[in-house]
Amino acid sequence: GDSVTQMEGPVTLSEEAFLTINCTYTATGYPSLFWYVQYPGEGLQLLLKATKADDKGSNKGFEATYRKETTSFHLEKGSVQVSDSAVYFCALSSGAQKLVFGQGTRLTINP
Amino acid sequence: DAGVIQSPRHEVTEMGQEVTLRCKPISGHDYLFWYRQTMMRGLELLIYFNNNVPIDDSGMPEDRFSAKMPNASFSTLKIQPSEPRDSAVYFCASSLFGGRTNEKLFFGSGTQLSVL
Repeated sequence: GDSVTQMEGPVTLSEEAFLTINCTYTATGYPSLFWYVQYPGEGLQLLLKATKADDKGSNKGFEATYRKETTSFHLEKGSVQVSDSAVYFCALSSGAQKLVFGQGTRLTINP
Repeated sequence: DAGVIQSPRHEVTEMGQEVTLRCKPISGHDYLFWYRQTMMRGLELLIYFNNNVPIDDSGMPEDRFSAKMPNASFSTLKIQPSEPRDSAVYFCASSLFGGRTNEKLFFGSGTQLSVL
């Protein structure tokens, strides 16, 4: 079945560091890919998405590119802030009206 | 819009008791999802509804779990009897259309369930 694998956390960085959180997927067909973010005590919220190969999703300084050849959708940000501390989830949707989530990666940014 | 509203925010109960979690989706959304989040298993889809009809309940762990959506603005997830291994955060989410053009879930703040 469809699945998503994320790099294990937790990830701890200093403010203004470069961030990469790896995500790879297994799916039949051509899924849509997503990154969701969960701030402490809150539900998940959509950060960015890409619906076809080579699409780049971006939001709040975060970017991810849909790479079909490597089945990847890595999340990147050039300069992280303390307010980016959260849990990040990679997810896919293959048209079955439901998302499959990765395990989540906890990110902590120190000032 | 107030977003997806879940209640209660926290629930502490004893093993064997019945637990009912409640969800009010965003008005106009036609899909509703129940997820469970644990450290060990991450985020798992339990069941989802389309236009108040259950579409896929393959994620419901066992017969102790049941979910209903009597109308477009209300859903419940019930656990009877509850067990300590049911302790988790339960999220409700809703979306519009559910198709590829609008694949965005809106999550509630979750219910933290502790079964002692």
